[in-house]
Amino acid sequence: AQSVTQLGSHVSVSEGALVLLRCNYSSSVPPYLFWYVQYPNQGLQLLLKYTSAATLVKGINGFEAEFKKSETSFHLTKPSAHMSDAAEYFCAVSRGDKLSFGAGTTVTVRA
Amino acid sequence: DSGVTQTPKHLITATGQRVTLRCSPRSGDLSVYWYQQSLDQGLQFLIQYYNGEERAKGNILERFSAQQFPDLHSELNLSSLELGDSALYFCASSPDRGNEQFFGPGTRLTVL
Repeated sequence: AQSVTQLGSHVSVSEGALVLLRCNYSSSVPPYLFWYVQYPNQGLQLLLKYTSAATLVKGINGFEAEFKKSETSFHLTKPSAHMSDAAEYFCAVSRGDKLSFGAGTTVTVRA
Repeated sequence: DSGVTQTPKHLITATGQRVTLRCSPRSGDLSVYWYQQSLDQGLQFLIQYYNGEERAKGNILERFSAQQFPDLHSELNLSSLELGDSALYFCASSPDRGNEQFFGPGTRLTVL
C-alpha cells in the first residue's frame, strides 16, 4: 500500500529563514507525489506535484520539492519564510485515484 | 477559490441523527472524493465517485453512504451519528481518473 510519513508534526522557523518539511514515501514504483497546504479554517490547496517529468518541482508561493528515489523522499523547501506561510502542510501519494495523506506538519513563523 | 463548493459550512446536530452534506465539483470534473479530517485520525479518504459510479472506497463506515448524481454533484449521508463523527468533511474533485484533486472549503460537523 502507498503511504507517506511526514517527519515532525510541528516546525517553527524565523521569518526569512529556510523552511524544510520532510516527507518520505513507501512505494515499489515511483508514485505521484503532492504537497498541499491548509490555512486555518480553509480547505486544502495544491502547492506542487511530482509526476516523473522532473525531479525538482517548483510550486506556488516560492515552494519547491525534490524527488529523490534513492532516499524515497520528497521534501518541501522554501528559501525564505514569510509570516503568511504559517499553515499546515500535507504530503500525499497516489497511484490511481486514491490519495493517501501524511499526518501533516504545522508551520509557525516567528517574527 | 478551487471551484469546488460545499454546503453547509457548519452543521450542529445530536447523536443518533442523520445529516446530508453536499458537494458541487468544479465544472467539467467527473470525479468526486470525500475525506474526513479529525484531530485523532488525520485526513482520511472515505469514498470516490466517477461519473456517477462508485470508484474507490476507503475508511468509510457502514453508517455513511454517498452518491453522485447525473449533474455530477455529490452527497455524503451520515446516519446514526456518534460523538466521534464530529470532524471536518472535505469534498474534492478532479477532471478524470488522474491525480490532481481540488478541495472544497469543507463542512464542519459537530455532533452533540
